[in-house]
Amino acid sequence: GAVVSQHPSRVICKSGTSVKIECRSLDFQATTMFWYRQFPKQSLMLMATSNEGSKATYEQGVEKDKFLINHASLTLSTLTVTSAHPEDSSFYICSARGESSYTSPLHFGNGTRLTVT
Amino acid sequence: KQEVTQIPAALSVPEGENLVLNCSFTDSAIYNLQWFRQDPGKGLTSLLLIQSSQREQTSGRLNASLDKSSGRSTLYIAASQPGDSATYLCAVEWRSQGNLIFGKGTKLSVKP
Repeated sequence: GAVVSQHPSRVICKSGTSVKIECRSLDFQATTMFWYRQFPKQSLMLMATSNEGSKATYEQGVEKDKFLINHASLTLSTLTVTSAHPEDSSFYICSARGESSYTSPLHFGNGTRLTVT
Repeated sequence: KQEVTQIPAALSVPEGENLVLNCSFTDSAIYNLQWFRQDPGKGLTSLLLIQSSQREQTSGRLNASLDKSSGRSTLYIAASQPGDSATYLCAVEWRSQGNLIFGKGTKLSVKP
């Protein structure tokens, strides 16, 4: 089945630094990847839609200058949290679909636990 | 506003019981509905995907139903096992670009 790999699984950084999270589709090409954020005991909330070769589409309330998304190839999207602050501590998950059709399921990475101290 | 609600928030059952998790959604014009499993601190595992034209899907001990007109879906787990303990998330896609809207999940605990 389709596999999405996310790295790192866990990262601790100091306030003010930047952190990059990678999301790779291992056995399929994904023209579109999605970045979600999950606070403790809360739903997953879509942050942005990453499109290969073009600018990401951000959801309302998500700062595009803070959460930089790059989707340079059909198998890799990156999310960079810039100038991280403690309130950015959260669980970030990416997902991708092997086919550009709503009839196929979205596959998710294992997530990245970000802790900003 | 498109929202997904899951009831109950938490459920504890003894091993072997059959159980039902509920999901309701506003706006019946969905593309599909998907059930996921999430283990603590982990990502999501897709369990079942029901397209808008379907009424149910089955995989092993899991059966998911969909009633678009009433805005409801249920996930039925037969003969529950301790390994089924996890949070189960219901998610609905209303746009064709994969924007899933998730419920808050039902945390299931199956006691041996």
